Amino acid sequence: AQKITQTQPGMFVQEKEAVTLDCTYDTSDQSYGLFWYKQPSSGEMIFLIYQGSYDEQNATEGRYSLNFQKARKSANLVISASQLGDSAMYFCAMSPRSNDYKLSFGAGTTVTVRA
Amino acid sequence: DAGVIQSPRHEVTEMGQEVTLRCKPISGHDYLFWYRQTMMRGLELLIYFNNNVPIDDSGMPEDRFSAKMPNASFSTLKIQPSEPRDSAVYFCASSRGTDTQYFGPGTRLTVL
Repeated sequence: AQKITQTQPGMFVQEKEAVTLDCTYDTSDQSYGLFWYKQPSSGEMIFLIYQGSYDEQNATEGRYSLNFQKARKSANLVISASQLGDSAMYFCAMSPRSNDYKLSFGAGTTVTVRA
Repeated sequence: DAGVIQSPRHEVTEMGQEVTLRCKPISGHDYLFWYRQTMMRGLELLIYFNNNVPIDDSGMPEDRFSAKMPNASFSTLKIQPSEPRDSAVYFCASSRGTDTQYFGPGTRLTVL
């Protein structure tokens, strides 16, 4: 079974600054995918970024980057140049890449961007 | 392209009533997932389908919950009879194989 841990329940960040959201995971699978989703107050789940366990390069998508440290089993999300619209709940998730594509989610981190 | 479509967006019902939630996945996606989100338990997978066939329903809470996928473009999640503890946001998501799962807007269910 997979376990995802997000230890930061809430964070404040100043507009235009960068913020790092922590995520650690535990799995016995060799092949897996790591995902980050954003859930604003409106409630929808928005896909942000994906990292495969065999990808050697850290994933980047615009202002989002994933700091993947396989040996430490961590997949931290970095948001650069924070904007007010980044205020939301952020979920780290993992899925095996073998024959089971279920997503397991962490508890989430609430980010509040201050002007 | 249209994303995952869910209806209704909000549902308020009384305990004991039947509730049916609907989902239309993204065209071409062969996997469909139903999740439930509550404050106490977070996001949890209820059931998922591959090519319209249920693959894993181990997350379905109890026999009051059932899900069907009669064709590639439609799925339902039914609760009968509903109870106040079923109040939650129910998400449908779809993916193409091992690719990223894309979520619908969710259905906020309140059972009085």
